[in-house]
Amino acid sequence: DTAVSQTPKYLVTQMGNDKSIKCEQNLGHDTMYWYKQDSKKFLKIMFSYNNKELIINETVPNRFSPKSPDKAHLNLHINSLELGDSAVYFCASSQARGSGANVLTFGAGSRLTVL
Amino acid sequence: DQQVKQNSPSLSVQEGRISILNCDYTNSMFDYFLWYKKYPAEGPTFLISISSIKDKNEDGRFTVFLNKSAKHLSLHIVPSQPGDSAVYFCAASAQGGKLIFGQGTELSVKP
Repeated sequence: DTAVSQTPKYLVTQMGNDKSIKCEQNLGHDTMYWYKQDSKKFLKIMFSYNNKELIINETVPNRFSPKSPDKAHLNLHINSLELGDSAVYFCASSQARGSGANVLTFGAGSRLTVL
Repeated sequence: DQQVKQNSPSLSVQEGRISILNCDYTNSMFDYFLWYKKYPAEGPTFLISISSIKDKNEDGRFTVFLNKSAKHLSLHIVPSQPGDSAVYFCAASAQGGKLIFGQGTELSVKP
């Protein structure tokens, strides 16, 4: 009974193509995120949505467009894929903070390879 | 411009001994620090956190120490077990709840 699920797990595609990665969480969390783990292994935040509203948008190319149809889903669409987009993309979710650390629950990741 | 750094890419320890994983940060405004553990082909899972107003937090075999003056934190695992072998990420909580991660340290615990 996966809490944060991403599909597909692996994606191999050609440069210039458009692709999407889907994410769903069944935890009832209010906030969802996309993180990118690049070749240097850093996990870097890309986007964050709270109740379908964009709240964090890091310096990500316009080719990346997140879409949140409802608070349980946050999909990532990438246009005109480039070689540098090859990475592992992690979806995550968290509950709204009253106090305490903002603990994120991550999905298993989607490895994107652009040829 | 990495605000959270883990300068040791890997660490190898003997089963039963202590594992010490280190993390440095640059932003004194971080309010919480977290450690995550990641197995291959899985997402990171939360391990332990510490508030910036504390200097120690303990949970079973895991203890996190925070030295604010040095902008340094460490995770101690005692005793280390083979199942602890994984990549450990340090993260800091910034304004708006954003988590900023280090690049991870791969821990190998040998039987």
